[in-house]
Amino acid sequence: EAGVAQSPRYKIIEKRQSVAFWCNPISGHATLYWYQQILGQGPKLLIQFQNNGVVDDSQLPKDRFSAERLKGVDSTLKIQPAKLEDSAVYLCASSLDRGGQNTQYFGPGTRLTVL
Amino acid sequence: AQSVTQPDIHITVSEGASLELRCNYSYGATPYLFWYVQSPGQGLQLLLKYFSGDTLVQGIKGFEAEFKRSQSSFNLRKPSVHWSDAAEYFCAVGGNNNDMRFGAGTRLTVKP
Repeated sequence: EAGVAQSPRYKIIEKRQSVAFWCNPISGHATLYWYQQILGQGPKLLIQFQNNGVVDDSQLPKDRFSAERLKGVDSTLKIQPAKLEDSAVYLCASSLDRGGQNTQYFGPGTRLTVL
Repeated sequence: AQSVTQPDIHITVSEGASLELRCNYSYGATPYLFWYVQSPGQGLQLLLKYFSGDTLVQGIKGFEAEFKRSQSSFNLRKPSVHWSDAAEYFCAVGGNNNDMRFGAGTRLTVKP
């Protein structure tokens, strides 16, 4: 079974530029998550989708971050414009469903460096 | 709101020695508890999880964890550490909506 795919793996941009990350979850998984992991910290949940609807975006900085999950499968996370403090690894995860007993499976992440 | 504290930022153990990584959580109801491992440049891999029932949970790679409600703890243990166990370990707490909150992690170094 294929795991969670993410691209690109690495991205370097200058501040005020825009960037987008892509995630393809495990086939059949209804719930998709985006996390931000700053160096030396644990992952922080940014947004949670159930199929193609947002169910939790309470920690998403909505002035610059946006995410969508069209058709309830792939998802993109965008930052516009980027700031230095956005340098982090962005992790995508998916689970079969939303209930707490459903294991979240993580992709390898996209490492973003903002100069 | 739920939160997780991992008191040890970095732990060094000798290969073959036992290991215990500490995790304390704060959650208003019965929590879902998880331990994940992250190797350099890799995503997170689930080691084990607790939802209910037996408070001693067995996981992959020889790891186990014990849920102690009275101490709000979920410590991870391994009787004999291997060099390949060197990695970052994260404890997480979640609720019915799978809204996990992670601790800051503990970095494990294994001495030969």
